[in-house]
Amino acid sequence: EDKVVQSPLSLVVHEGDTVTLNCSYEVTNFRSLLWYKQEKKAPTFLFMLTSSGIEKKSGRLSSILDKKELFSILNITATQTGDSAVYLCAVGGPYGQNFVFGPGTRLSVLP
Amino acid sequence: ETGVTQSPTHLIKTRGQQVTLRCSSQSGHNTVSWYQQALGQGPQFIFQYYREEENGRGNFPPRFSGLQFPNYSSELNVNALELDDSALYLCASSPGLAGAVLDEQFFGPGTRLTVL
Repeated sequence: EDKVVQSPLSLVVHEGDTVTLNCSYEVTNFRSLLWYKQEKKAPTFLFMLTSSGIEKKSGRLSSILDKKELFSILNITATQTGDSAVYLCAVGGPYGQNFVFGPGTRLSVLP
Repeated sequence: ETGVTQSPTHLIKTRGQQVTLRCSSQSGHNTVSWYQQALGQGPQFIFQYYREEENGRGNFPPRFSGLQFPNYSSELNVNALELDDSALYLCASSPGLAGAVLDEQFFGPGTRLTVL
């Protein structure tokens, strides 16, 4: 059965800290790994990763994929209170019918 | 704003009833997926539609059914509601047939369903 595991499940930091969120996966046919940020309801897209070792960056956020070890990390530097959210990792198979989501990491950034 | 809308925002039903949730995708998005997100968990894939045909289904019973219409709207129907059906229901649309184009899914704000 396809599985996505995220760690930690919950994290509390102070503004300015750097955090690393982890996502490991076991899927039958991997095609892509996606990171989402969910604040209230709709998850918003952060990154899509398909190739190993290529870092994707957007401002203070960055992510990288290791297809050999079957994991990805999401880094957030100089955290702000607005980064407080649940960060979801999802893995998609070859035909995209079934994105398997992890349970999410709840990040709380204190002022 | 993703351009994906869902209605209603909240809904309260009782066990055994039937419910229809609606989603309006972005214009031109031929693929729509529905997810169930229980409190404190990640979304779980229910099914996906591409050009009005079911294109994949997760581990949900047949009482979960769907429709997609030519005007980029879709429905999720749940019959014989159970208490465990209480969750946030999300729809997500994408431009092409997922698998042909590596594009991300754009999520709607969700419908919070409570079954009493």
